[in-house]
This record gives sequence, C-alpha cells and structure tokens, in this order.
Amino acid sequence: AAGVIQSPRHLIKEKRETATLKCYPIPRHDTVYWYQQGPGQDPQFLISFYEKMQSDKGSIPDRFSAQQFSDYHSELNMSSLELGDSALYFCASSLLGRDRTYGYTFGSGTRLTVV
Amino acid sequence: SQQGEEDPQALSIQEGENATMNCSYKTSINNLQWYRQNSGRGLVHLILIRSNEREKHSGRLRVTLDTSKKSSSLLITASRAADTASYFCATDAYGNKLVFGAGTILRVKS
Repeated sequence: AAGVIQSPRHLIKEKRETATLKCYPIPRHDTVYWYQQGPGQDPQFLISFYEKMQSDKGSIPDRFSAQQFSDYHSELNMSSLELGDSALYFCASSLLGRDRTYGYTFGSGTRLTVV
Repeated sequence: SQQGEEDPQALSIQEGENATMNCSYKTSINNLQWYRQNSGRGLVHLILIRSNEREKHSGRLRVTLDTSKKSSSLLITASRAADTASYFCATDAYGNKLVFGAGTILRVKS
C-alpha cells in the first residue's frame, strides 16, 4: 500500500539558507500535518492543512511557511535557517472519518542539518 | 512536551519480561494513540483507543485509558529485543492534530 512520501530524506544547509521539504500524502487522504522533532525531543506540531486550506497552526516560526497544492502534496518552506532548525521533520496524512476517529500515517521524515 | 508526561522516561528490561509505559495528558480527547520510533527513524502507529473505550488489545500490546485521570498505559508482554525503541503517546482532540507526550525509551536486553 502507498505510504506518505517525504523528500528529500536528508538535507544539509548552511545558516541563513532556505530549504523546501516536500510531502506526498496517501491518496484520498484530505489532511496533512507537519511536525518537527529535535534531538531527544517529542514531535512538535507545526501546521496542518485540510482540503488545501490551513486548518491549524502550532509552534511554527514566522520564517517557515507551508502550503498544500491542488494535487494534495504539501511543501514546508524554511528561510533564514538557524542551527536550531536542525531536526527531523515529519509529515503525516489522515482522512477525516465520519465518527472523527481516524489514524494518522507518518512519512519517514526529512532530516535537516543546518551547519 | 506539548501534552503531558510519559513515565518512565527510560526503561530497561530483559527479553521475555513485560514492559509498562504510562502517559498523562491535559485536555479532553477524541482518542489516544501510541507510536513507536526506532532511533532517528519514522513514527509507526501501534494502536488507537477511543475516548469511550477503557481497554484495547492488539497482539502483545494492551492499552488502557482512564479519561477521569487523563492517563493511559501501554503494556508490551513477552518483550523481544526488537521492541527496543522509543514509545510515544499522542492525543487527538477532535481532529485538529496529534499532540505527543515526551516518550519512553525502552531497551530490551537479550
């Protein structure tokens, strides 16, 4: 079965550079979530999209932006990168169920290293 | 952590023993989920328990939920070396997003 695809798997950027992370959700899933996980930390919610509209926003820095496109893939854009942005970035997708109980499927993540 | 605490932070047991991890949360929830993460890898969904359920089983996993205490426990029976990983609980408050707990690092020694 198709899973959530994230690209690239690994990314190395220098401080003050820009990075773009991509996420391809499971077909027919209507919601995409982005999470950031620092070393030894739990995943922190950044932002989510439902049917291509932003549905919720968490602790996402102003330097970051995201969008979901007409084909439902999503991109997380990160500018003016800082050393502290080094983390594992996860995308997850889900399908809102009628009883609002549903599972999330996570991608394998993009490991961003800022040097 | 955004949501609550997991207890213990780290657990080391012998293969064949049972492992119990606890999770507390702060808000009303629709469901609670447990995930496993091998070092630096992706999050793997293990089990989901709805707010109106008190116990759920899946293979060697048993999850309990006490909404009055806002707590959950994950029991892994007859542990194996391959169960070595970090385990996170995550709460789903009516579809907005998953909020993760701090995680328990489980080490199963063979």
